[in-house]
Order: sequence, then C-alpha cells, then structure tokens
Amino acid sequence: DAGVIQSPRHEVTEMGQEVTLRCKPISGHDYLFWYRQTMMRGLELLIYFNNNVPIDDSGMPEDRFSAKMPNASFSTLKIQPSEPRDSAVYFCASSFWGGTGELFFGEGSRLTVL
Amino acid sequence: DQQVKQNSPSLSVQEGRISILNCDYTNSMFDYFLWYKKYPAEGPTFLISISSIKDKNEDGRFTVFLNKSAKHLSLHIVPSQPGDSAVYFCAASARLNFGNEKLTFGTGTRLTIIP
Repeated sequence: DAGVIQSPRHEVTEMGQEVTLRCKPISGHDYLFWYRQTMMRGLELLIYFNNNVPIDDSGMPEDRFSAKMPNASFSTLKIQPSEPRDSAVYFCASSFWGGTGELFFGEGSRLTVL
Repeated sequence: DQQVKQNSPSLSVQEGRISILNCDYTNSMFDYFLWYKKYPAEGPTFLISISSIKDKNEDGRFTVFLNKSAKHLSLHIVPSQPGDSAVYFCAASARLNFGNEKLTFGTGTRLTIIP
C-alpha cells in the first residue's frame, strides 16, 4: 500500500488567497483525520471523519477553514481567505475501526502564507 | 487547554545511555496511550502503545510505563542510538471505553543522541 498521500507537499501563497490541501487515505481505512502542527501547540486535531461523515470539527479554528470528504478515497481541507497565522504543516492521517488505534500519517503539506 | 503535556521541549542523551521521555495528561477518560516518532519533513510514525489496563509495555529497546494514579506516562529507550534522534510525541485517546478514535497529542520532545 502507498500509505496516506497528501498534496501539495509545499504551498506558498499570499494572504487572502484560497488554499486547498488534498489527502488520499489508505484503502480500507474508515477514519480520516486532519491535524495541524505548530511549534506552540504541537499536533492539533482540526477535524475527523468516519465513513466520510464529519464526526468532530471542534478543532477547526474559524469559518475560514472547511473540510470535505466526498468519498472514501479523497478529502480536502480548504482555507479561504488564508492569513499568515495559518502557516503551519498540515497532516492527514487515517485509521480503521477495530485496529490498534494507531493513526497512519501522510508526509504533510507545509503551508506558508505571506 | 492542553490535555496532554510534554513539559520538556528538548533532551540530549549520550549514545548507549537511557533516554527517558515524559508525558502527563489531565483527561481521566483517556484509556489508550501511544508514542509517535517524527523525523524532519516526514509524518509521525507509530512507535509503541499501552492500554490503561497495563502499567508497562515493552518492544525491543522501547518500553512505555503508565502510572494512572499520577496520570503520567514515560517512554524509555535503552540503549539510545543516533537514529533515535527525532521529535517524540505522546498521544492519548478514549477509544477502549468510549469508542473515540481521535488522538490528542502533546507538543513533542526533541531528542538528540550525542555520539
């Protein structure tokens, strides 16, 4: 299996622009998580899905952030409009119910908002 | 509020000695704990886990200890090797008793092994 695939790996954009991050989970996994890593807060959970349905979005910082999972093999995290304080590494992870509770992470998308 | 805390941002240990990384949690619903390792420009990878019914779990050079009364866990690496230099994240969930699969992570500890 190719593992969790995220794109783009790096994104540099200007304040006010729309940013879309993409994720393909491991086939057969029914949970998908979006995390954000910052120095101050470590790995913060933004939102997670079970069977394509959002379960907990309490970590989404503002209405500027939105996430979708239109099918079992694809999810997006959108920031519109982006701000410099959104600069961080965004990770997608997946897991399956009945497993060991381990999350499998992608390599992350590093976002820089100028 | 930070429900999982790693109070040491960094730790340096001589090669061959024991590395001890610490983690505290505040949420008494947490019943499953994991350690992840992260190299630069890579995603975190799972290292070892422990459920709340145990107080110790061992896997090769890695041992995790859980003290439920103190809400504290630690990761021991012995002997430490240069390849162990990475950021280590502690994580917790309430999956066993509450079916909650989401992991709450600490802020991480950067471990440097000195050759």
